[in-house]
Amino acid sequence: DQQVKQNSPSLSVQEGRISILNCDYTNSMFDYFLWYKKYPAEGPTFLISISSIKDKNEDGRFTVFLNKSAKHLSLHIVPSQPGDSAVYFCAATMNRDDKIIFGKGTRLHILP
Amino acid sequence: DTAVSQTPKYLVTQMGNDKSIKCEQNLGHDTMYWYKQDSKKFLKIMFSYNNKELIINETVPNRFSPKSPDKAHLNLHINSLELGDSAVYFCASSQGKRGNTDTQYFGPGTRLTVL
Repeated sequence: DQQVKQNSPSLSVQEGRISILNCDYTNSMFDYFLWYKKYPAEGPTFLISISSIKDKNEDGRFTVFLNKSAKHLSLHIVPSQPGDSAVYFCAATMNRDDKIIFGKGTRLHILP
Repeated sequence: DTAVSQTPKYLVTQMGNDKSIKCEQNLGHDTMYWYKQDSKKFLKIMFSYNNKELIINETVPNRFSPKSPDKAHLNLHINSLELGDSAVYFCASSQGKRGNTDTQYFGPGTRLTVL
């Protein structure tokens, strides 16, 4: 039962352009969403998060948008840089719970 | 200084063996976790401990037993290893008890291969 879905296993984007990674969720009780980034042979690292009371959160080149009615969130990276090449995990949780549900990840390739 | 470290990084073993994976964090965090990333790439919580107390215990076989000697360590012992246990196991830690909203810091992972 995939509660958090990242339907694109991979994405290639030209350096300098915008990268948009998408995530859908099924559980309307989720109220906090996170993005983690993972390089090969390393553990995931926290990137950015958003509470369900907001529809946008920005941190430097990274912006997360939340559309609660569509149960959809996206991560925008602009401009994309070579170091952004990694696997990006979308994750969700609910306030009353202690655990995070992760998606399968999307591998982002930044092309020179 | 490695914040969350795991040993070993790679583990290859035969079916039926018993093995342990160790995790240590030097961040002073109160909560530690074990995740499993299977062949389908899903990263799923297995256990979490807060100050040596079990908080989350997902539906995993009881062949898996976490042990927390102190709040800086959370080891994972696996008995009677099976082929399906092959995966990458990640340890993580977070400051507070609420691991969902507190940032979790992950170790580099241990790739377990059961032959």
